[in-house]
Amino acid sequence: DGGITQSPKYLFRKEGQNVTLSCEQNLNHDAMYWYRQDPGQGLRLIYYSQIVNDFQKGDIAEGYSVSREKKESFPLTVTSAQKNPTAFYLCASSNRQGDEQYFGPGTRLTVT
Amino acid sequence: QKEVEQNSGPLSVPEGAIASLNCTYSDRGSQSFFWYRQYSGKSPELIMFIYSNGDKEDGRFTAQLNKASQYVSLLIRDSQPSDSATYLCAAIAGGTSYGKLTFGQGTILTVHP
Repeated sequence: DGGITQSPKYLFRKEGQNVTLSCEQNLNHDAMYWYRQDPGQGLRLIYYSQIVNDFQKGDIAEGYSVSREKKESFPLTVTSAQKNPTAFYLCASSNRQGDEQYFGPGTRLTVT
Repeated sequence: QKEVEQNSGPLSVPEGAIASLNCTYSDRGSQSFFWYRQYSGKSPELIMFIYSNGDKEDGRFTAQLNKASQYVSLLIRDSQPSDSATYLCAAIAGGTSYGKLTFGQGTILTVHP
């Protein structure tokens, strides 16, 4: 069953802690993306990767980091430098950059 | 900043009617456009994409693209209560930003019985 998985579904952290969100896909897609969605807002691009061992900053990369060591995996770390980390985080993938993107179920992060 | 604009709504239509959702974009280099449906608390689900001027139909959904006017729309025929959701319009950036997907803020659609 092909798809994109994100874990965990809900995540709670104390302020000042780094946290890593998992994203895995078995669609054999080259490109992967991370977005953030705040209540009543559209999606904003954090980071994207077109190929293994390469990634680019999106529109709101400050306070986040990523790695792309394997084609199937694109974990996102929310660091303590991110001022407002509480949000709904969505991972997506596409066959190639520019193709239609498919989303995972998301991780809802709450930082208090 | 390249933008995609949508009327946030809410748009309310009776069951069986046609729902019309609209979107404008500022990047003339954009080549590909997407409509996603997002139920409350869930992730976006791709329902249509369109690359060429004109209409593209898929079941009850029709996407319309007018590149000269920088306008994209989604028509939902025979609207059902299960169509009630937020609809997100998105455009792939052109030029040096090729591949980056920019989303509108979404239009909330309510279909009432």
